[in-house]
Amino acid sequence: QQQVKQSPQSLIVQKGGISIINCAYENTAFDYFPWYQQFPGKGPALLIAIRPDVSEKKEGRFTISFNKSAKQFSLHIMDSQPGDSATYFCAAISGNTPLVFGKGTRLSVIA
Amino acid sequence: DTGVSQDPRHKITKRGQNVTFRCDPISEHNRLYWYRQTLGQGPEFLTYFQNEAQLEKSRLLSDRFSAERPKGSFSTLEIQRTEQGDSAMYLCASSLVSTPNNSPLHFGNGTRLTVT
Repeated sequence: QQQVKQSPQSLIVQKGGISIINCAYENTAFDYFPWYQQFPGKGPALLIAIRPDVSEKKEGRFTISFNKSAKQFSLHIMDSQPGDSATYFCAAISGNTPLVFGKGTRLSVIA
Repeated sequence: DTGVSQDPRHKITKRGQNVTFRCDPISEHNRLYWYRQTLGQGPEFLTYFQNEAQLEKSRLLSDRFSAERPKGSFSTLEIQRTEQGDSAMYLCASSLVSTPNNSPLHFGNGTRLTVT
């Protein structure tokens, strides 16, 4: 049972465009929603995270939008750059339960 | 570099052999996790420790897998009688747990296991 559903599986965006990745969850006990970025041969690295008491969090070109009633959250990458090409994972956690991940989105930013 | 360190980076072994991986977490982190990642998938939870206590094991962790964290510092993950289905990237992560909020998980760069 996939606890966090992520889409799309892959995404191609022009340089300077906006990349949008969506995630949905079922467990209303989740209280922390991080996004991880992973380059080939590397472990996932924390990119940005949000708690459900806010609807949006922005850090530089990266923004998380959170819709608690719809149980959905999304990552927006503004002014996408070729260096952003990586696999992105949404994740969720509650209390002492382990972090659960979506299946990932492979982003390619083309010039 | 004071991040999470994993050793070895790559391991090729023949089916039926035993393998052991090591993880050194960030020094002040009290929680340590093991995840497994196969190609095109997100990391899947295997087990985690708080200090030296193993608190949870996934049903993915068969009897052939064992993990230890002696003295609450580094951890080892051993796979006995490896099978081709064990081929994956094994990721270690650590975090600092303190009331009321947990710190985020910091991952190492993993050990890639290939079972031939």
